[in-house]
Amino acid sequence: DTAVSQTPKYLVTQMGNDKSIKCEQNLGHDTMYWYKQDSKKFLKIMFSYNNKELIINETVPNRFSPKSPDKAHLNLHINSLELGDSAVYFCASSRDGFNYGYTFGSGTRLTVV
Amino acid sequence: DAKTTQPNSMESNEEEPVHLPCNHSTISGTDYIHWYRQLPSQGPEYVIHGLTSNVNNRMASLAIAEDRKSSTLILHRATLRDAAVYYCILRDANAGGTSYGKLTFGQGTILTVHP
Repeated sequence: DTAVSQTPKYLVTQMGNDKSIKCEQNLGHDTMYWYKQDSKKFLKIMFSYNNKELIINETVPNRFSPKSPDKAHLNLHINSLELGDSAVYFCASSRDGFNYGYTFGSGTRLTVV
Repeated sequence: DAKTTQPNSMESNEEEPVHLPCNHSTISGTDYIHWYRQLPSQGPEYVIHGLTSNVNNRMASLAIAEDRKSSTLILHRATLRDAAVYYCILRDANAGGTSYGKLTFGQGTILTVHP
């Protein structure tokens, strides 16, 4: 069983569309994250949820809206997609506390055309 | 966020040990030192972390300087599968508010392993 799974793996869509990326973790972790990796390969945190509560909200356009229906799921909805949104989006999870590592999913490659 | 400095790239031969350095001269007493790696076309993978003492696990060893201003990730016998970008990250255990000890990735060290 995959620990952190994202769907879809690839997403190609036109500018202006609305799309969602789903993430699920089966590790029993309390905290989940969304990271964005751009074409220059920099990984930047976007959001973090702890037990369904938003705890980190970086400077991200409000076209991006995370939703956590329960602590095992963290979805990312993107409205009015722009060319600059093309990137690889990674979901991750971790236990509470600072003595634990993050487990990342394998990523969703979003291409906006 | 406390910053780390790593070489842009390093090379190694298969079966040889690899020592990946990281400088973190502004580290605070509550910062954990984390290492992650990212293989091509994959998500980052946790490697190891420590606070003050050296740490070993099945993947690697982490050697932390006595003053904690630097650390070294040691791969004891590099394999081709170890070719990846290695990230050294400080995670603040005292962080609250908007930080919550988030992992902030730098540009990392690209490790090339030659057969």
